[in-house]
Amino acid sequence: KQEVTQIPAALSVPEGENLVLNCSFTDSAIYNLQWFRQDPGKGLTSLLLIQSSQREQTSGRLNASLDKSSGRSTLYIAASQPGDSATYLCAVKVSGNQFYFGTGTSLTVIP
Amino acid sequence: ETGVTQTPRHLVMGMTNKKSLKCEQHLGHNAMYWYKQSAKKPLELMFVYNFKEQTENNSVPSRFSPECPNSSHLFLHLHTLQPEDSALYLCASSLPGTLTEAFFGQGTRLTVV
Repeated sequence: KQEVTQIPAALSVPEGENLVLNCSFTDSAIYNLQWFRQDPGKGLTSLLLIQSSQREQTSGRLNASLDKSSGRSTLYIAASQPGDSATYLCAVKVSGNQFYFGTGTSLTVIP
Repeated sequence: ETGVTQTPRHLVMGMTNKKSLKCEQHLGHNAMYWYKQSAKKPLELMFVYNFKEQTENNSVPSRFSPECPNSSHLFLHLHTLQPEDSALYLCASSLPGTLTEAFFGQGTRLTVV
């Protein structure tokens, strides 16, 4: 069964710093990987989707990379802002239309 | 707004009650999902529907009963729940196939007393 791990579990940085969130998965047979943001008590907002054939995707200050063979993805956030404070989740899509999620990284950006 | 709407947003129910959660999307998606999110745990997939047919039941207790009357609507019927069933229940939808992304609703915060 696919297992997804996110490190670190929590991260606190001063405003303006660049940061990297990590996601690893045990089975490289994935169709795609998706990064989400979740604010407290809310649903998930999709940030970036990387297909299994792609190496990276960019959206504004966010850049996500994928190394499928090693089972790793990173989410890079440039020039962090207090509004970036949230929990960031990664999920991999496998056969049968199933998505497996990590436990998330809780990010706090200090003004 | 993601295009996936869940109601109610909050629900408190007793262990002997029967209630239903509703999920609706008009994104043209044919796959719909129920997830459970408990504190400090990864999202747990509960059910998957493709084209109104249930294709996955992830060993969910029978006190949770899903219903998918059409591709736009998904329900989760609840009865005789336990306090440990208190969680955030999230609905998602996607196009079927390998290349598509999931869109999530805002969730229903369920408290069983």
